[in-house]
Amino acid sequence: AQSVSQHNHHVILSEAASLELGCNYSYGGTVNLFWYVQYPGQHLQLLLKYFSGDPLVKGIKGFEAEFIKSKFSFNLRKPSVQWSDTAEYFCAVTPRGADSGGYQKVTFGTGTKLQVIP
Amino acid sequence: GAVVSQHPSWVICKSGTSVKIECRSLDFQATTMFWYRQFPKQSLMLMATSNEGSKATYEQGVEKDKFLINHASLTLSTLTVTSAHPEDSSFYICSAGTVGEETQYFGPGTRLLVL
Repeated sequence: AQSVSQHNHHVILSEAASLELGCNYSYGGTVNLFWYVQYPGQHLQLLLKYFSGDPLVKGIKGFEAEFIKSKFSFNLRKPSVQWSDTAEYFCAVTPRGADSGGYQKVTFGTGTKLQVIP
Repeated sequence: GAVVSQHPSWVICKSGTSVKIECRSLDFQATTMFWYRQFPKQSLMLMATSNEGSKATYEQGVEKDKFLINHASLTLSTLTVTSAHPEDSSFYICSAGTVGEETQYFGPGTRLLVL
């Protein structure tokens, strides 16, 4: 079974600071990787995803993430955060390909609360 | 983008009663729907996966007789919490997806409080 760990539970940054949120996964096969964001009072929204190809993926609102296979990592980055980025961020993973056996269940990390101070 | 709705958004009920939560995909046909539970300060935990027209697949530790899932059509799945108890109080979230597109779309969640 796959697992996902997010090491930062709560991050506080000033506006314009750079952001990097860590995400590591554990799984023996190939995976699809996701970052979801949950703004206060809103539902989960897909920020970006990696299935294959270029390991550096760009998402909405200036976010990007890099898949490093050797490190089993998929860290989320943003060069300059804004107050409106205050939210909770979840990394998620699903098995892919030969391991699929049908539609995949998503395993989520515990989430990182980001608070951006104006 | 794909939109998933849940109803109700909030429900308060007495212990021992049953509560039904609906999950609808509004602008696409969802071959698969997922039900999650989120405890405070914790991540989403998958409860069950349901495919339209077939029985749901429950995760280990989830009581299928307590959490009844019905996926009668490609746009509607329901979760019924039977004989609810205070420990069932939680935030229940559904998501929907289509085979071949490996992205799920999440509903806004339903907050259940059992008194």
